[in-house]
Amino acid sequence: IAGITQAPTSQILAAGRRMTLRCTQDMRHNAMYWYRQDLGLGLRLIHYSNTAGTTGKGEVPDGYSVSRANTDDFPLTLASAVPSQTSVYFCASSAGSGSANEQFFGPGTRLTVL
Amino acid sequence: GQNIDQPTEMTATEGAIVQINCTYQTSGFNGLFWYQQHAGEAPTFLSYNVLDGLEEKGRFSSFLSRSKGYSYLLLKELQMKDSASYLCAGMDSNYQLIWGAGTKLIIKP
Repeated sequence: IAGITQAPTSQILAAGRRMTLRCTQDMRHNAMYWYRQDLGLGLRLIHYSNTAGTTGKGEVPDGYSVSRANTDDFPLTLASAVPSQTSVYFCASSAGSGSANEQFFGPGTRLTVL
Repeated sequence: GQNIDQPTEMTATEGAIVQINCTYQTSGFNGLFWYQQHAGEAPTFLSYNVLDGLEEKGRFSSFLSRSKGYSYLLLKELQMKDSASYLCAGMDSNYQLIWGAGTKLIIKP
């Protein structure tokens, strides 16, 4: 593994189903983030984690949950998917959570909820 | 509220220079980032400015004016591979990035 990986690459999901998007980084970065990207809108932060064992809510957290049991993994769970959660989801990481820390992005997961 | 404004789309000619502008309003300010995103791919970091002035990095330069809440990305000697979206993001007082919707840059031969 080099950098950040996400799985699955794409998924079609029935409304009401539970889904976990996986994210793993091998850069030993402290901070990790989940964004969604929708056409015509900027990236919007869903949840973040400044260090293993801690998480925080971003701009659009409703309907999503995260956990950070260790440094490398930061899964995002949709408890009961709805069509408005159709989006491209990006996981990102940075060495720290302060200023000047560039974020490195995974390849994204394209999720369609029907 | 917090807001990042940038043009939706720009067109330029191969070999030319293009300037992409960005205005920002954030709660507190901890710097301004530019990212490049090719269609269907992840964003990749281009530049970071926290002090006023111009930062040059090869063909790409980024400028910041904190008093005006303004930044621009300057791309010189445009190449076809520069066709992409360019994302402007301001870092607020909580060290979270507020993202613009992106500027789609189309390069014509």
